[in-house]
This record gives sequence, structure tokens and C-alpha cells, in this order.
Amino acid sequence: KAGVTQTPRYLIKTRGQQVTLSCSPISGHRSVSWYQQTPGQGLQFLFEYFSETQRNKGNFPGRFSGRQFSNSRSEMNVSTLELGDSALYLCASSLVAGGPSTTNTGELFFGEGSRLTVL
Amino acid sequence: AQTVTQSQPEMSVQEAETVTLSCTYDTSENNYYLFWYKQPPSRQMILVIRQEAYKQQNATENRFSVNFQKAAKSFSLKISDSQLGDTAMYFCAFIHYSGAGSYQLTFGKGTKLSVIP
Repeated sequence: KAGVTQTPRYLIKTRGQQVTLSCSPISGHRSVSWYQQTPGQGLQFLFEYFSETQRNKGNFPGRFSGRQFSNSRSEMNVSTLELGDSALYLCASSLVAGGPSTTNTGELFFGEGSRLTVL
Repeated sequence: AQTVTQSQPEMSVQEAETVTLSCTYDTSENNYYLFWYKQPPSRQMILVIRQEAYKQQNATENRFSVNFQKAAKSFSLKISDSQLGDTAMYFCAFIHYSGAGSYQLTFGKGTKLSVIP
């Protein structure tokens, strides 16, 4: 079974540009979450999508947006890039959306991430 | 607010020795789940071990075990017989309900573990 696939793996942009990152979840997984990882702040939650609907959003400015398609693939977009947006962006998928239970481990399956450098 | 604190930014251990990584969390919920995730250098994050708060018995997975102290809100990870492949960032995480049917993981800032030959 293929894992979570993120593209591109590495990219370099300049301030003011925009970027789109893609995430293909594990087949059958309908929930996709995005996290930003930086050395200083650690892992911070961006947003979560389930069945093409954003159900939860972290404390990030409106420049960060996302969407999910009917096949559960997700994209996130960052507009008007700033130097501080340089980070590893991680996508994670999970089987169900109802949270952990005796039948659902609540485990997230992560991709390898997209490393964004803003110059 | 839900918070997770890992007080040890970096640790090292000799191969074959035992090491314990600390984690404390803060929540007002009674039923929740805690996780330890491992992120090897330049590789994807994977789940190491999971603990349900309603279970008093500490979870174990081969060489990995936890010491879950619910009253103290403490969730430490013990790695026995450390191996070179255990070198990684370790993140403690807490899953909580964030509304609208959505669950969210809150992570600690991580502990960088180096296993020394």
C-alpha cells in the first residue's frame, strides 16, 4: 500500500511569490491534515480536511489556504511568501474523521514533507 | 489550551543502553490519547507508541514503553537496548477534540536523540 506522497519535496521561492504544495493520502484515507515544522516553533497545525471540507484551521494568517478534492488529494497554497514561511510542510492522512476510539487508533500517517525555502 | 512540553531538547545514549524521554501535557479533558512519534533524519515521521488515557496499563511496543502518570499529566518514553537506528527526533503528541467533528494533534517541540556507537 502506497504511503502519503507529497510533492514537490524541495522548492525555493522568493519573497512575494506564491507556492502550491500537493499531498496524496493513503488510499482509502479521507482525512488530510497539514502541519508546518520549523526549528523554533516545532510542529504547528495548519488545517484539516475531510470530504472536501475544511473542518479545522490553526492560527495562521489568511495567506495560508488549502483545499481537498473528491479523490481526497489535498493542496495547500501560501501566497505573498515571507522569509518566515521557510519550513518543512508535512501532510498527514488518517482513515476516519471521528477521532480515536477502540476501533480507530487515531494514528496519523505522515508524508516525507515539502521543504520550502524562501529567499 | 492544550499544551505539550518536552523539557529535553537534546539527549544522547550509548548503544545498548536505556534512555527515557520526558513529556508533560496540560488538558482539562478526561478521555484522550497520547502518542510518541519518531522522525529520523530526512525521513518521514512514524508512530512509535500510543496510550489511551482510560487505560491504566502502560503501553509497550518491543523495546519501547511508556510511563503514563495521568494525575501528574506525564507521559515519558523509555527506549531499551538503544540501537543506532533509534537516532531521531522524538515528538510527544496529544490528540484532542477541536470542534466540528475534528480532532487535532498538538505536538511538543521534540527531543533530538543521538545513539552513540
